[in-house]
Amino acid sequence: NAGVTQTPKFRILKIGQSMTLQCTQDMNHNYMYWYRQDPGMGLKLIYYSVGAGITDKGEVPNGYNVSRSTTEDFPLRLELAAPSQTSVYFCASSWIIGQGGYEQYFGPGTRLTVT
Amino acid sequence: AQSVTQLDSHVSVSEGTPVLLRCNYSSSYSPSLFWYVQHPNKGLQLLLKYTSAATLVKGINGFEAEFKKSETSFHLTKPSAHMSDAAEYFCVVSAANTGNQFYFGTGTSLTVIP
Repeated sequence: NAGVTQTPKFRILKIGQSMTLQCTQDMNHNYMYWYRQDPGMGLKLIYYSVGAGITDKGEVPNGYNVSRSTTEDFPLRLELAAPSQTSVYFCASSWIIGQGGYEQYFGPGTRLTVT
Repeated sequence: AQSVTQLDSHVSVSEGTPVLLRCNYSSSYSPSLFWYVQHPNKGLQLLLKYTSAATLVKGINGFEAEFKKSETSFHLTKPSAHMSDAAEYFCVVSAANTGNQFYFGTGTSLTVIP
């Protein structure tokens, strides 16, 4: 199992550009999440999904969009990049609560700089 | 509502001495609790988890944590610090009534002095 994979690892965007951060998991998890981590801070939830076709906003959704057309993939889209979106982005997946071992599994992260 | 408070933003210990990283939680439902570690420029790795079984939980690399409901705490300990333990540690709470959301503490940075 590859677990949770993210691409790209690094990216520099100009203000106003758009891009998609890719996330794929091969563990057949129902739940997937996108977080951002700013320097010296914990993780803040951007969006999450409880299954294919279902997504919901987290704590900091503004400026982002997501889709979940398959169980495996959960891309995050930035439409008009702003310097405030400079951050490290982590994708994660998990089982449904109540099933054994439902901790989150994290991808390696995407380091995004907007200048 | 769920929340986590990590009581120390930074902890410094000497190599070979005990480690204590403190975490208090708030949950309106039976919580599940986790500790994750993040080494510099790396992703998050699960250290251990509590999901309503034994209150003393053993994790990887010699870490353990004890769930104390009366104190709403889930402190992380290790008897003897190693240089490789230097990292950022996150306490996380989740519960069945949160829609499978996980709530992160702000992290504790552990420095190990040789």
